[in-house]
Formats: sequence, structure tokens, C-alpha cells
Amino acid sequence: DGGITQSPKYLFRKEGQNVTLSCEQNLNHDAMYWYRQDPGQGLRLIYYSQIVNDFQKGDIAEGYSVSREKKESFPLTVTSAQKNPTAFYLCASSTKYRGGDTQYFGPGTRLTVL
Amino acid sequence: GIQVEQSPPDLILQEGANSTLRCNFSDSVNNLQWFHQNPWGQLINLFYIPSGTKQNGRLSATTVATERYSLLYISSSQTTDSGVYFCAVYAGNNRKLIWGLGTSLAVNP
Repeated sequence: DGGITQSPKYLFRKEGQNVTLSCEQNLNHDAMYWYRQDPGQGLRLIYYSQIVNDFQKGDIAEGYSVSREKKESFPLTVTSAQKNPTAFYLCASSTKYRGGDTQYFGPGTRLTVL
Repeated sequence: GIQVEQSPPDLILQEGANSTLRCNFSDSVNNLQWFHQNPWGQLINLFYIPSGTKQNGRLSATTVATERYSLLYISSSQTTDSGVYFCAVYAGNNRKLIWGLGTSLAVNP
């Protein structure tokens, strides 16, 4: 089945530790995205990548880092510099096609800092 | 930059009722999408609709690009329609979506 997978589903981290969230897609999409969602809020863009080995900062990139070494993978590292990392993290991918450019989402990772 | 506003922010319905959700945007856009986020957090794309009207079962959407708004219609609502409905648009060619704050819908049995 084609789709986007994120792991783990739940993640607990101690303050001061870096943690990496996984995002993999087998849809052959060229673009991938990371969003953060806080309770009762909308989605805020952290980073996005339109092609392999290239990525751009979104609206809230401070304290986060990404890499795009393979088309199907876009891991997100939450560093100790992120002051309030507890949130729900969503990964998405998209590709342009004749009908448009639609984003598809993974199931998300809930990160809690203890 | 482009602003996306959704209304109403919250909506409570009895099962079987119809509803209309609205999305206003402040400038010309070349892509508009409607999403549904279920209570467990999964986001599903409902419609890609930069203009015109589309229907999918009990859901339909209309975008009037010249007047800068889009409407999502839900007919004969079911409890499984509960969740948050987001509208999002692309501005320019950078494929970065601008998101509204969503409409939170609760459908009661």
C-alpha cells in the first residue's frame, strides 16, 4: 500500500536531549513537509523540501533540523535548543500532477518532554 | 502575506443536519485545499478546488476565486464527520501552504 509512515507514534524525551522523528513515503512524491500542531491550534510549517538534498525553513524552524538524503525520507530532529517541543508533529508529502498539487499526511508523532 | 480565515470557529450539529463552512482568503491563490482532521489527529485531504464545484458523496465544495472564498457543504451529517476542517491555500510558486485556523465540528447522535 502506498502512503506516509511516521514513527514513533508517541515519544517521550527528557529536557536537554535531541530526538529524531522519522517520516517515510512510498508515493514517489518530490516534496515533503514537517508541521507542528499545538492543542486546539492550526498547523505551523517547520521545514519543507521540494527536491532531494534541498530544503527550506518554514515559519518556526528555530530549534529544529532536517535532512533530505533520499526522496522517500525526511527525518526531523528536535534539538535541545527548541524551548517548548511538546506538540503533535505531522509529516506530509505532495507532487504536482495535471489535476493540481495535493498534500497527503502521515498519522503524526506526539512528542512529550518530561 | 495571504491571510486565510475560516468561519465559524466551532459548530455543533445533530446527526442528519446540514452545514456550510466558509473559507475567506485575502489575495489571489492558485491552489485551495480542504482537509478533515479526525479526533485522533489524522489529516485527510477532502478536496483540491482552486475554482468551481466538486462533490464527493455527502460533501461538496465550491470556490469562487474572483470573490476570494470557498465553501464546504456537509449534508446529512454523521458522527464520523466530527473533527476539525481546515482550509489551506498556496500563494506563489513555493508550494508552501497557508493554513486557516480551522472549524471544529461536533456531530451529536
